[in-house]
Amino acid sequence: DAGVTQSPTHLIKTRGQQVTLRCSPKSGHDTVSWYQQALGQGPQFIFQYYEEEERQRGNFPDRFSGHQFPNYSSELNVNALLLGDSALYLCASSLVGSGYEQYFGPGTRLTVT
Amino acid sequence: KNQVEQSPQSLIILEGKNCTLQCNYTVSPFSNLRWYKQDTGRGPVSLTIMTFSENTKSNGRYTATLDADTKQSSLHITASQLSDSASYICVVSGPLVGGSQGNLIFGKGTKLSVKP
Repeated sequence: DAGVTQSPTHLIKTRGQQVTLRCSPKSGHDTVSWYQQALGQGPQFIFQYYEEEERQRGNFPDRFSGHQFPNYSSELNVNALLLGDSALYLCASSLVGSGYEQYFGPGTRLTVT
Repeated sequence: KNQVEQSPQSLIILEGKNCTLQCNYTVSPFSNLRWYKQDTGRGPVSLTIMTFSENTKSNGRYTATLDADTKQSSLHITASQLSDSASYICVVSGPLVGGSQGNLIFGKGTKLSVKP
């Protein structure tokens, strides 16, 4: 039973560039949430996707956008990268109706120089 | 403002000793509270999940308690092991939305170091 997978593991980008991060949910899950975790901080909720639509969104600018595909996998896109976007980006999957349990992936470490 | 505060920020204990981590929250309305273990550079792994009606839940050497009246939770680790060295994050969820968890509010975590 495959868990949540994310790619790439690490990424280095230059300020102003755009980046796409990818997530495959745990087998049987249909909901994907994205989080940003700055060094030494707890994760911050970016948004959640279900049925290929954004269902909830945290306090992040429009530079952060996402997509969910029919196979439930998801992408996080960040435009016009800022130095402050450097963080660990976590993807978590769950099954709608289960309510409580979210499974996290290993994360993508993004460094913006 | 919905907040989750954890204490202490960091903790060093000797292998074999017990420890207790604290979590206070102001999230309202409240659906459930979770404790996660996060190794450095890795994704969080769930330890326990409690609804407002549950007072305690155990997972091996980890025991979480919840007082919904005072909005406090604790995570007790018994007979610590070197592998317990990690950050422990308290997460509080608002009410479910369409069957899925509401916005999760994360604490900053307590960094635990277990020394031999």
